Amino acid sequence: ELKVEQNPLFLSMQEGKNYTIYCNYSTTSDRLYWYRQDPGKSLESLFVLLSNGAVKQEGRLMASLDTKARLSTLHITAAVHDLSATYFCAGVNNNDMRFGAGTRLTVKP
Amino acid sequence: DAGVIQSPRHEVTEMGQEVTLRCKPISGHDYLFWYRQTMMRGLELLIYFNNNVPIDDSGMPEDRFSAKMPNASFSTLKIQPSEPRDSAVYFCASSLGVGLFQETQYFGPGTRLLVL
Repeated sequence: ELKVEQNPLFLSMQEGKNYTIYCNYSTTSDRLYWYRQDPGKSLESLFVLLSNGAVKQEGRLMASLDTKARLSTLHITAAVHDLSATYFCAGVNNNDMRFGAGTRLTVKP
Repeated sequence: DAGVIQSPRHEVTEMGQEVTLRCKPISGHDYLFWYRQTMMRGLELLIYFNNNVPIDDSGMPEDRFSAKMPNASFSTLKIQPSEPRDSAVYFCASSLGVGLFQETQYFGPGTRLLVL
């Protein structure tokens, strides 16, 4: 069974700083999703990474996938308050999708 | 497009009652997914459909849960009988049909279920 671990689970950072959220998974996952969820809201798909070495960027967020290391990262550049949310990664193995516990990000002025 | 539509948005019921959650996917999307989110268990994929056909229901927690998709624009998730541990937010999502788990999933607003 695929297990997905995120760290950190809580992240408080100042505006303008950079940071990385890590998503490790236990067995083969050739696809990796990143989602954002605001408090009390639904999920918004950020990135779908489909192959080893895939890198995608949208604004201040950049996601990458290393299938050999079983690791995906979500890098935040020059954080702004609007990025405050919970970020989830999810892996897929044999069409079974598993989510990480989420990283609650707070960006402070 | 209005996005994925779910109803009701909130449901409060008593243990033992039947609960039906509804979902209308985005028009033209071939895949439909049902998820559950709780504090204890996090996000879980319950079941998904392709072209109205259930493909994998291994995430459905118990026989009390059932899901149908009678046509391309409507799906239901039913819990009968409901129990307090079923209290959660249930999300429906849809995606294009290029390939399973290869496309962006669009989530509905969710149904917040409370079973007393």
